[in-house]
Amino acid sequence: QVQLQQWGVGLLKPSETLSLTCDVHGGPLSGYRWSWIRQAPGKGLEWIGEVVNSDIVNYKTAHRSRLSISMDPSKNQFSLTLTSVTAADTAVYYCARVFNNAFDSWGQGTLVSVSS
Amino acid sequence: SSELTQDPAVSVALGQTVRITCRGDNLRRYFANWYQQKPGQAPVLLIYNQERRPSGIPDRFSGSGSGNSASLTITGTQAEDEADYYCLSRDISEQRMFGGGTKLTVL
Repeated sequence: QVQLQQWGVGLLKPSETLSLTCDVHGGPLSGYRWSWIRQAPGKGLEWIGEVVNSDIVNYKTAHRSRLSISMDPSKNQFSLTLTSVTAADTAVYYCARVFNNAFDSWGQGTLVSVSS
Repeated sequence: SSELTQDPAVSVALGQTVRITCRGDNLRRYFANWYQQKPGQAPVLLIYNQERRPSGIPDRFSGSGSGNSASLTITGTQAEDEADYYCLSRDISEQRMFGGGTKLTVL
């Protein structure tokens, strides 16, 4: 049973860069896509993007200009970087594994707050 | 449209059957997946590929779909099933999208 453990800075000021990492335990990175999903307070789930392999990524169109998702097979982890954050980026961020076009394993979630 | 639409709220009497529906043009081409989310917790996958249930998910949860809609049915609803439910699918450009969510109240 694969387990995802995510970590990163939870409090940012506007214009700063959000960085989160997800460690994958109990299974390989290879052969799967790995996604980031977020949920603003009191709102629904929003897919942000995913990494397919070291060369291929797939980002939600609305976030493409600010978003970077990468993977490090040597550490069995993948990461999210979102630049120029605003209050609208305040959310719980989840990492997840993609299997059969579904997210079958999830991290515990990280609350990221953007405030001046 | 690449959106998925769900009713914001549904209620069901304890022990009864409830159907939660998701609608969108992409469902004509791609399967829906269903998630349950309780307050303060990460979502849990209930149904994938429209009707397949991961191991460990009770068989009172089932999925179906036709045309531009997909449904999650809970048969014999339990009090613990009170939660938010989300559908998930994708479009031809591999953009993934969730429905807006349905808040299920068990009476």
